[in-house]
Amino acid sequence: GAGVSQTPSNKVTEKGKYVELRCDPISGHTALYWYRQSLGQGPEFLIYFQGTGAADDSGLPNDRFFAVRPEGSVSTLKIQRTERGDSAVYLCASSPVVGPEAFFGQGTRLTVV
Amino acid sequence: GIQVEQSPPDLILQEGANSTLRCNFSDSVNNLQWFHQNPWGQLINLFYIPSGTKQNGRLSATTVATERYSLLYISSSQTTDSGVYFCAGNSGGSNYKLTFGKGTLLTVNP
Repeated sequence: GAGVSQTPSNKVTEKGKYVELRCDPISGHTALYWYRQSLGQGPEFLIYFQGTGAADDSGLPNDRFFAVRPEGSVSTLKIQRTERGDSAVYLCASSPVVGPEAFFGQGTRLTVV
Repeated sequence: GIQVEQSPPDLILQEGANSTLRCNFSDSVNNLQWFHQNPWGQLINLFYIPSGTKQNGRLSATTVATERYSLLYISSSQTTDSGVYFCAGNSGGSNYKLTFGKGTLLTVNP
């Protein structure tokens, strides 16, 4: 596609539920990143994929968070047993094979009630 | 990791005015980007500028890598320039993990 696409745009879920957030990167981009943005803050790094593998997941806050990218394109961020503190905008970005400039999607606003 | 400090935190302008936003880094960066976050939350790439000067229409940016800062200039501001401006960079230890500042909230009034 023309840009990074994230679905859904908004997600409201109850505390304790499981959610999946999807990211479709720019075609041909091998690097994919997830960030989380809390209100009034800049985005914070969660995880980085190079191809199918998670090259760096040091930003994931705890083991309730997991992400996959099975075919090296679309990625899914999975959050188990959601908590109210997980409420934030989750941003996905991708970058081309060569060059570190990252391009971001419009984000998924997650609200845990 | 590196620390990124942006100033000013808030800025209110009248349409047509010029402004300068600043970004300071605690360490050398080898990947520096400026973004504009529009009211819908989308991060729009403005500049990829690890060093030197670039211009794109009414916007320009300068990075002085040796002194660990970058400046974003907005000339003849328009109401559509309103939003949050972020700078982000990564240090030599990671060429992919961007660290963002807290942003500058720009409001341009008609």
